[in-house]
Amino acid sequence: DIQMTQSPSSLSASVGDRVTITCRASQRINSALNWYQQKPGKAPKLLIYAASSLQSGVSSRFSGSGSGTDFTLTISSLQPEDFATYYCQQSYSTPLFGGGTKVNIK
Amino acid sequence: EVQLVESGGGLVQPGGSLRLSCEASGFTFSDHYMDWVRQAPGKGLEWIARIRNKATSYTTDHAASVKGRFTISRDDSEKSLYLQMNSLKTEDTAVYYCARAYSRGDYFDFWGQGTLVTVSS
Repeated sequence: DIQMTQSPSSLSASVGDRVTITCRASQRINSALNWYQQKPGKAPKLLIYAASSLQSGVSSRFSGSGSGTDFTLTISSLQPEDFATYYCQQSYSTPLFGGGTKVNIK
Repeated sequence: EVQLVESGGGLVQPGGSLRLSCEASGFTFSDHYMDWVRQAPGKGLEWIARIRNKATSYTTDHAASVKGRFTISRDDSEKSLYLQMNSLKTEDTAVYYCARAYSRGDYFDFWGQGTLVTVSS
């Protein structure tokens, strides 16, 4: 079974910071990797699909990269509304989410 | 506007049963794979079940954690998705989300607001 490892599990950052979150798959998944944002009490929201494609309506400060086993979500300039938990999800086989990264205010 | 509205959650005793529903609107429900994803309190997201569309014979997959206890189904005429949950355990306590899968399950592009299931005596 594919395992998804997300890091870090949490981070503290300030408004305007560049933030990078990493997701690693235990085997190659090509570009079948998606990123979601979840705020407390809300459903997840799709940000990036197929590793690097920006979902319609999502701010261009979000970007994704990677293929194979190593993937990255980058927030170019953190905004107040970006403090949330972020999840990666592989769609190469049975859907599986990473453990999540909580982005806190420094 | 795409909308997914879950219902049917509540408090149930261990060993009990519950049926969740998800009513869809704003898109051609019958075209899409549909999934259930849950989130235990303070924990991450866990995919639990998928049902494909008519073109792929409504085939289903269930996560190992729920296989044999939960069953996903759909009624395209009612634009509804269901999750029959039997032999519930305390560890099934979670918010249950229905989610629309894009294309052949490439990603989840729309989610419902979730319904809380609490398994407790």
